Amino acid sequence: ETGVTQSPTHLIKTRGQQVTLRCSSQSGHNTVSWYQQALGQGPQFIFQYYREEENGRGNFPPRFSGLQFPNYSSELNVNALELDDSALYLCASSSLTGKRGYTFGSGTRLTVV
Amino acid sequence: AQTVTQSQPEMSVQEAETVTLSCTYDTSESDYYLFWYKQPPSRQMILVIRQEAYKQQNATENRFSVNFQKAAKSFSLKISDSQLGDAAMYFCAYRTIIQGAQKLVFGQGTRLTINP
Repeated sequence: ETGVTQSPTHLIKTRGQQVTLRCSSQSGHNTVSWYQQALGQGPQFIFQYYREEENGRGNFPPRFSGLQFPNYSSELNVNALELDDSALYLCASSSLTGKRGYTFGSGTRLTVV
Repeated sequence: AQTVTQSQPEMSVQEAETVTLSCTYDTSESDYYLFWYKQPPSRQMILVIRQEAYKQQNATENRFSVNFQKAAKSFSLKISDSQLGDAAMYFCAYRTIIQGAQKLVFGQGTRLTINP
């Protein structure tokens, strides 16, 4: 049973640039969620994808967008990067209900300078 | 809105002893799920234990157990026989539904140090 893999592990971008983060879901999971974890904080929900469509979003602006592919892998895109976007971005896969818990990847550390 | 509060930013315990991490939450739902996650320096969130609110019996997983007090909206984690590998950030989380999506609401975390 494969876990959740995220790439890249670290990334440095300049303010105003665009970034794409990638995530492969755990075998048997059809739902992917993305979280932003600022330093010293708990993760914050960005959005969730199921059947290749976004089916719920947290308090994040539209410049945060995503995709889910037929193999359930996912991308997180952030446009017009701001300094406050510097954080650890975590991907989590689960069944649709999420009742048995979520399997997280090790995250992508994004630094915006 | 659901909120999760972890009032202990840091805790420490001697190896082989027992430690309890506190968590309270706020919700108007009657059926929900609660989780404790561990985040070591590797950054990956690892599920430690989960509790279904409709079950009165407290969940246990080997050395990890919870004290779930539904009326008080309290969900503490007890780690018995603490080991050096237990050192990590611990996050309490509540599963809720937003716009049809399942999402986790996390607390601020408790940093656990194990003293040899």
